[in-house]
Amino acid sequence: DVKVTQSSRYLVKRTGEKVFLECVQDMDHENMFWYRQDPGLGLRLIYFSYDVKMKEKGDIPEGYSVSREKKERFSLILESASTNQTSMYLCASSLPPTTDTQYFGPGTRLTVL
Amino acid sequence: AQRVTQPEKLLSVFKGAPVELKCNYSYSGSPELFWYVQYSRQRLQLLLRHISRESIKGFTADLNKGETSFHLKKPFAQEEDSAMYYCAPLPGTYKYIFGTGTRLKVLA
Repeated sequence: DVKVTQSSRYLVKRTGEKVFLECVQDMDHENMFWYRQDPGLGLRLIYFSYDVKMKEKGDIPEGYSVSREKKERFSLILESASTNQTSMYLCASSLPPTTDTQYFGPGTRLTVL
Repeated sequence: AQRVTQPEKLLSVFKGAPVELKCNYSYSGSPELFWYVQYSRQRLQLLLRHISRESIKGFTADLNKGETSFHLKKPFAQEEDSAMYYCAPLPGTYKYIFGTGTRLKVLA
């Protein structure tokens, strides 16, 4: 069974803090994704990685960075958290080609105070 | 710009009534087309994809290339169909363009 896990379900941080969101998949998928999910805006792609140490910016990369040192792990980093980054963050993975089905993690609800 | 539109934020129907969730996209070429669903307190998951031509949980989706639409349909709604539905055209690159979602409420 496909499994994508995220390190925290709920996270509360203060403005200016550095925040790490971790995602791990056990399906040996090459592709991994980070989205944020906001009511009325749907899912928006933050970053995408198609291989270890490879990354591509999505639609809203500002204020975020990512790290992929191992195939199974994809980290999203908020260098200096701001209140407008309060959101639900979803991680996903897929096999190539990039048109394949994406498998999602349970999400991390981040609140920045 | 590539766009996908789900015009209804909320759709309420009675149990047993037909359901149609609308999705319109604007792309050149032929994107791969998906519908994803998120039930309450569950993770987002694939409902169906156009290429497989399957009917999942009684749902089907017809691609209308002329109208560039990929509406999701079910003839008889069930209460367990209540969920958030996202249309996701994939225009041949890694970048899914998810719609803004439609919340379906099936009333008893």
